[in-house]
This record gives sequence, C-alpha cells and structure tokens, in this order.
Amino acid sequence: EVQLVESGGGLVQPGGSLRLSCAASGFTFSSYSMNWVRQAPGKGLEWVSYISSSSSIIYYADSVKGRFTISRDNAKNSLYLQVNSLRAEDTAVYYCAREAFGVVHDYWGQGTLVTVSS
Amino acid sequence: QSALTQPPSASGSPGQSVTISCTGTSSDVGGYNYVSWYQQHPGKAPKLMIYEVTKRPSGVPDRFSGSKSGNTASLTVSGLQAEDDADYYCSSYAGSNNARVVFGGGTKLTVL
Repeated sequence: EVQLVESGGGLVQPGGSLRLSCAASGFTFSSYSMNWVRQAPGKGLEWVSYISSSSSIIYYADSVKGRFTISRDNAKNSLYLQVNSLRAEDTAVYYCAREAFGVVHDYWGQGTLVTVSS
Repeated sequence: QSALTQPPSASGSPGQSVTISCTGTSSDVGGYNYVSWYQQHPGKAPKLMIYEVTKRPSGVPDRFSGSKSGNTASLTVSGLQAEDDADYYCSSYAGSNNARVVFGGGTKLTVL
C-alpha cells in the first residue's frame, strides 16, 4: 500500500523557517518524481514544487522561488521542503504528492499544517 | 500562470447527473491531454478521480467520467450518491518551469 506521511509543520513567526518531511513507503520511491502542493485554509490547491526521481530536475512556483528548497533522499525514501523567509500567505496545509506518468498526482499524504503568525 | 476557472458550486439530487467545468487556456488545458480531477472531503487529502482527461484509476466508480473540448475540461458524475458530496478540483500540466501544474479554484458539489 502506498503511504506518504508528512511532518515538520507548526507555528512559526514571519521570517522564520521550517523543514517539512515526507516519508514514503509501499512503492519504489527512487522511481518516481514528487511534488509539494499546498492549500491555504478554506482555499484551493496550489502547486509549490517538483523534483524528478534523481533530483536532476527541480521546479518551483514563482510564489516560493528563492525561499523554498525541495530535496529528496532516495536511500531514506524521504522528500523534503525547506521553507525560509516565511510570510503570512504561506500559511497552509502542505501535501506531498507522488507524480505518475502524465503529470498526475496519484497519491497524496495527509498533509502538515504550517501557520505563519506573530 | 492563472488558476483554472471552475464554478464555485454545483448540486444535484441522488441519482441525477452533474457536470463540472474547468476552463483554461491553450497553454494548459487546451494544449495538453494532461487534465486530472481530484475529490476532496473536508479535512482529508485530495483523491485522484480522473487523469489524462478521461482515464479512471482503479477503484474509482465508472459513474465518474471526464472529457475535454478546446480549452475546457469537464467532469461528469452520474447517478449521484451521498458520498459524492465533496470539493472537486481540476488540474492541468501548464508546460512551464514556474507553473508546471495549475489547479482550478475548486467546485463544491452538494448532493441534495
């Protein structure tokens, strides 16, 4: 069974940092591209970042470029998102999502909540 | 890249059919057959319902179907059931590095 479990969220002050993690199991993690997608409270989904299976290709949404860094450790079956210089508008549930062929997010974790507030 | 346009709400009675639209541009929906639809119940993670415009993952009832015409994709739910009451989001590959995937704003489907 495919499982994705996020962790690392919490309450942080504006300008602060967090490192989000996503532990994967039930599939060959090193064979899949992965994404981070976020959802602000009561709002829709927003794609945040993409990383290819070998980490050779990385993309970011304009809204987080220069502040967020995606990475992965295939030996540990883990995906990460380093979030720096946080703003109030970054407050959201952050989901990791596996990407299957056809740019489809076929499995999602349960999400981890990041709240940016003073 | 702007979000895809979905109606904020839709509704139908049990047994009826409902169609939700998702309008983009030639740079996303109209340019690629990489449109997906996700169902999300309150407090839960999104669940893939349709991918590559018309394909259903294993386990998704055939009451759910997808289509596309030009820059507009659609999700049709036939034979509405109470458990279909949820938010639905479309997404499309957008082809650019800084907006690789764009999502719709979401549609709240209410089963009356």
